[in-house]
Amino acid sequence: SQQGEEDPQALSIQEGENATMNCSYKTSINNLQWYRQNSGRGLVHLILIRSNEREKHSGRLRVTLDTSKKSSSLLITASRAADTASYFCAPFDSNYQLIWGAGTKLIIKP
Amino acid sequence: ETGVTQTPRHLVMGMTNKKSLKCEQHLGHNAMYWYKQSAKKPLELMFVYNFKEQTENNSVPSRFSPECPNSSHLFLHLHTLQPEDSALYLCASSPGQDYGYTFGSGTRLTVV
Repeated sequence: SQQGEEDPQALSIQEGENATMNCSYKTSINNLQWYRQNSGRGLVHLILIRSNEREKHSGRLRVTLDTSKKSSSLLITASRAADTASYFCAPFDSNYQLIWGAGTKLIIKP
Repeated sequence: ETGVTQTPRHLVMGMTNKKSLKCEQHLGHNAMYWYKQSAKKPLELMFVYNFKEQTENNSVPSRFSPECPNSSHLFLHLHTLQPEDSALYLCASSPGQDYGYTFGSGTRLTVV
């Protein structure tokens, strides 16, 4: 399969805790992107990390990329109820396509 | 609102109907995309347009017909669909293919 694969498939944590989601892929990439999707709605772009970058921050989000291991992680610190959503990693491969996985469903319990 | 507007939000159609989905963006983006999202499956890329030219057609059945009259508008014309075509159809745009995508809220399509 060429798709990105998120791990875990589902994650439930208490509000205020940190949430870590992982992603693995199989192709060479130009960049890797993370998106959030609230139930039944469109996806929201969170962060794009290029293949020559190792770490990137945006507010409470931290993304790492290890191209030697073909893996990435998304860390959400101090989680809030509003972070409840599905999170997708999408490697952008050399064929100029985003490769989508099934996502990680994150539930933040109040 | 994200800057990408999709209409209608919901659509129920019979298998013999003809309908169209509309997508509009005024972000100045040059690339536009149609995706299909079915339950428990990864997003499926259907069509890509760059500068109004179709550059990707991922083996989509001919009952789906895209149209891109200008760089701000994208349509998906539907005819003689099957129940398995029921899904969330998402439109997205990007400044170029190597940038983050901006998605619309989607059209929830039900084929009866």
